[in-house]
Amino acid sequence: AQSVTQPDIHITVSEGASLELRCNYSYGATPYLFWYVQSPGQGLQLLLKYFSGDTLVQGIKGFEAEFKRSQSSFNLRKPSVHWSDAAEYFCAVGGYGGSQGNLIFGKGTKLSVKP
Amino acid sequence: DTEVTQTPKHLVMGMTNKKSLKCEQHMGHRAMYWYKQKAKKPPELMFVYSYEKLSINESVPSRFSPECPNSSLLNLHLHALQPEDSALYLCASSRAREQYFGPGTRLTVT
Repeated sequence: AQSVTQPDIHITVSEGASLELRCNYSYGATPYLFWYVQSPGQGLQLLLKYFSGDTLVQGIKGFEAEFKRSQSSFNLRKPSVHWSDAAEYFCAVGGYGGSQGNLIFGKGTKLSVKP
Repeated sequence: DTEVTQTPKHLVMGMTNKKSLKCEQHMGHRAMYWYKQKAKKPPELMFVYSYEKLSINESVPSRFSPECPNSSLLNLHLHALQPEDSALYLCASSRAREQYFGPGTRLTVT
């Protein structure tokens, strides 16, 4: 069965430090992979996506992610975290269920940023 | 423009009330979704509309009734809800594989 695992429930980093959020997926074919960010009480904003091609993808707000098929991973990175990056981050995999693009979400990683 | 709008932002309703949530997008997307999100949890898919037809109902109780009047609008009619239905209700739309979410409606059932 398809699934997404985000091993870290909560991560705290200092402002200006680098960040890596982990995501592992289980999927029978080539997955479509996404990272979303959610601020408290808000909707989800799409940070970046991977469909095919270059395995290093750039997103908004200075984020990037690398698709590693051999490790079934799609980790999110940012070289220097800003206080405004504090939020919940969800990794998602899509591609099943026809053309609707149904998503399977991980449980999320909460990012806290220390001044 | 990748905007999905939802109204109202907040809704408090009693268990005997009838209310509706509204979602709108003008991106020409032909798939629209309703999700329910409890605190500290990922969104849970409720319904999918594709080309204005209901294509997926994830075994949602009948007290939730979706409606897609046209390709830009999606409603969720609520009736006889339970306190455990209190949550953030998110709408999304998609053209292909990427979904764009609205800001959500925070629903409290008293």
